[in-house]
Parts: sequence; structure tokens; C-alpha cells
Amino acid sequence: QSALTQPASVSGSPGQSITISCTGTSSDVGGYNYVSWYQQHPGKAPKLMIYDVTNRPSGVSYRFSGSKSGNTASLTISGLQAEDEADYYCSSYTSSGTLYVFGAGTKVTVL
Amino acid sequence: EVQLVESGGGLVQPGGSLRLSCAASGFTFSSYEMNWVRQAPGKGLEWVSFITSSGSTIFYADSVKGRFTISRDNAKNSLYLQMNSLRAEDTAVYYCAREIVGATGSDCWGQGTLVTVSS
Repeated sequence: QSALTQPASVSGSPGQSITISCTGTSSDVGGYNYVSWYQQHPGKAPKLMIYDVTNRPSGVSYRFSGSKSGNTASLTISGLQAEDEADYYCSSYTSSGTLYVFGAGTKVTVL
Repeated sequence: EVQLVESGGGLVQPGGSLRLSCAASGFTFSSYEMNWVRQAPGKGLEWVSFITSSGSTIFYADSVKGRFTISRDNAKNSLYLQMNSLRAEDTAVYYCAREIVGATGSDCWGQGTLVTVSS
């Protein structure tokens, strides 16, 4: 089982906003500002969307934003578009002895 | 163009070994920390291993510790993953990924190479 908990699926209509949660513990999400988010389309490599909780890499749409409260990080997609339909994974640094952990992923469906 | 290209995947019997390579181009490879991440068929991402830019510090996931070895050759702009004692559960697409300098997150990924462990 994954160390970080994500909802299996989230859906929304075009133009709406959706939020994906990523829940961990004080040993990972809650203890450090080292959460990143990845988008993955079928058959493609993952793409970094957010790093260090809130930072957006160059070239990533402003519609993607990240936040954190306690042991839960969140990715919000505003102005949902058809091209946003994909799997999304959160990842965090962990002090538990390894280095990084991923969530199980969330499938985003644009209705 | 920044590019990572994995190679070395294939079909191997349980208990066997395989060495994956990742060729980097378009950036100063020796300045970047690197990761291996895998994805079993139809499953999510799993972090496998990390190596610092100099190779002096290395981390492994518990699932591969003692069986896999990460290494790099900065003169050849290459990252490696030596996989021994392979198990069926190691079957996955293996990606190499570049870590952002001074931050946490992988901003460049290869296309992946498929490793299938089966008799």
C-alpha cells in the first residue's frame, strides 16, 4: 500500500475547479515543505506540475496550484479543461528511512 | 533539448539480473541529482532510488534495498541501475528522472524502459 492517501477519482465539468487531496503524516507531508505533484497521461511519462508544495515549474499553466494544511497537501485545478484529464500523483520527502513516497494516484475525469 | 533516454529493459527470469542505463543530454548532467522511479503495469508510481550529483549519497526504497544498486558516470553523462535477484513484482516500466536543483521534485523524465520478470 502507498504511504500517501489520495482519492481514487475526482471529476468535474469544463470550467469548474477541482481539488485533489494527499494525506500523509508528520514524517512526510506534515513535517516538510517537500511535496510535489505529477500529471501522467496514458502511455506517457509523468510531468512535474508543482514542487515544494506551491511552486509551479516554468511552462506549467497558472490553473494548477498547490497548498498544504497539516498532514494534507492539495492540488487545485481551476478552469478545468479536457486536456487536464489524466492521472495525478503526489509525492513527498519522508524521514521514515527511505527518501520519497508517492500517493496511489487520482484519476481526473472531465465530464 | 534536455533529454533522458533509458535502455536495457527486457524479459528476465526470476532470480536473474539486468542493468538499466539512462543517457542524459542537453544539460550539465554532473550538476544534477537523479532518481529511478518505476510503474508496474496498470499501477501507480513507485520511487526506487536516488543518487546525489557526485554519487556520494544514495538512497533506496525498502522493496529493492540489498538487490538494486544505483550508480552514475558523470564523464559519460549516464545513470545506471543494476538489478539483481529479480522478482515478479519488479516487473514495471522504469523511468530515470532529473531532480530540480535546490528543490524537491523531478522536472525531467525519460520515456521509460520495460522490465518483465517471468519464467
